[in-house]
Amino acid sequence: QSALTQPASVSGSPGQSITISCTGTSSDVGGYNYVSWYQQHPGKAPKLMIFEVNNRPSGISNRFSGSKSGNTASLTISGLQAEDEADYYCNSYTSSRTVVFGGGTKLTVL
Amino acid sequence: EVQLVESGGGLVQPGGSLRLSCAASGFTFSGFWMSWLRQAPGKGLEWVANIKQDGSEKNYVDSVKGRFIISRENAKNSLHLQMNSLRAEDTAVYYCARGGAQFDPWGQGTLVTVSS
Repeated sequence: QSALTQPASVSGSPGQSITISCTGTSSDVGGYNYVSWYQQHPGKAPKLMIFEVNNRPSGISNRFSGSKSGNTASLTISGLQAEDEADYYCNSYTSSRTVVFGGGTKLTVL
Repeated sequence: EVQLVESGGGLVQPGGSLRLSCAASGFTFSGFWMSWLRQAPGKGLEWVANIKQDGSEKNYVDSVKGRFIISRENAKNSLHLQMNSLRAEDTAVYYCARGGAQFDPWGQGTLVTVSS
């Protein structure tokens, strides 16, 4: 049950686009389309932003999009806004019928 | 409105036990997998356990197997986590969430501190 690999931090200016990667193995990210992404502001509970690789829950801005290629999933945020500054986590279902998270990525809006 | 409210957290000595509960409302509780997740202070998210709609399947992260037990009471729209043989490394905010592998929404969390 090794954690998925995310960059520790990314940054971008308002209006720009950024991408956060999430790398696993063929036993998790690469083997299933059950990859999701969460946004967490300090002191708050996480919020689902993307599910099943590239689907947005109702109410989530279309500035957020997800994709997957092989064992790596990605979250792209376009038109960066100050309110997007937060921690972002990916997670995946695994072949062991468990769930694994990435270590988290801190997004800074410059 | 879908709502999840955790309770039962607190300070416990190493080796002790604690039972967390999660009260669900605003959706058909019996129709969903449910999960417990945690976040140690200043650290990332960790999935702890999940349970199928009828309680017939339960899965755990390796670090809590044999110590934690997840259960549910569909008639009371409640989810529970019995935590035994607690260790310092179990110190975290514990969240309940709707879903088995994708989680939405999350409760506000309850803090468990394991310390002497």
